[in-house]
Amino acid sequence: EPEVTQTPSHQVTQMGQEVILRCVPISNHLYFYWYRQILGQKVEFLVSFYNNEISEKSEIFDDQFSVERPDGSNFTLKIRSTKLEDSAMYFCASRPGTGNNQPQHFGDGTRLSIL
Amino acid sequence: SQELEQSPQSLIVQEGKNLTINCTSSKTLYGLYWYKQKYGEGLIFLMMLQKGGEEKSHEKITAKLDEKKQQSSLHITASQPSHAGIYLCGAAYSGAGSYQLTFGKGTKLSVIP
Repeated sequence: EPEVTQTPSHQVTQMGQEVILRCVPISNHLYFYWYRQILGQKVEFLVSFYNNEISEKSEIFDDQFSVERPDGSNFTLKIRSTKLEDSAMYFCASRPGTGNNQPQHFGDGTRLSIL
Repeated sequence: SQELEQSPQSLIVQEGKNLTINCTSSKTLYGLYWYKQKYGEGLIFLMMLQKGGEEKSHEKITAKLDEKKQQSSLHITASQPSHAGIYLCGAAYSGAGSYQLTFGKGTKLSVIP
């Protein structure tokens, strides 16, 4: 069964450094998402992406964050200058397209640790 | 207050017992999604509910969405150790846009053999 894949599984970065988290959504899916989960807290929406542009974003998704679909398969989340509070599990998700009866499918996540 | 409240926060049951997890929204739901998460892993899609009164089942798991579309329950019959994990409900509050999900805090289920 097709699945969303994320790399790396664990990323350790010094505060202030840039980090790029990578995702390969399910082929032929059109909507892409990033969520994060701080340890012990709930999963929070960051951003959605459709038709090569941001569709919606949350308050968390400030100027330090950006997303890109550099080619036909990858979907990336970049954090420009990481802070300690960016430490979290980051999940990528995708869904087939418009229409209200299609669930989001999630990857296994990237655990980001900021030192 | 939270938009989406799950109860209980944690649950320990003996193998073979039935259990119910609830998810209550402060707003009318457009869609309600149930996921299972194992510690340190991703979210596995279980079921999606959209119509008031809708009920879906998969193997020993049944989910319902109440008529007023503000509460859902997840029922597991004859629980097994493989059911252990964190159950998350996710809400879509709009039928337009990207259908971003708002999640509850989750219910941690432990099943004792």
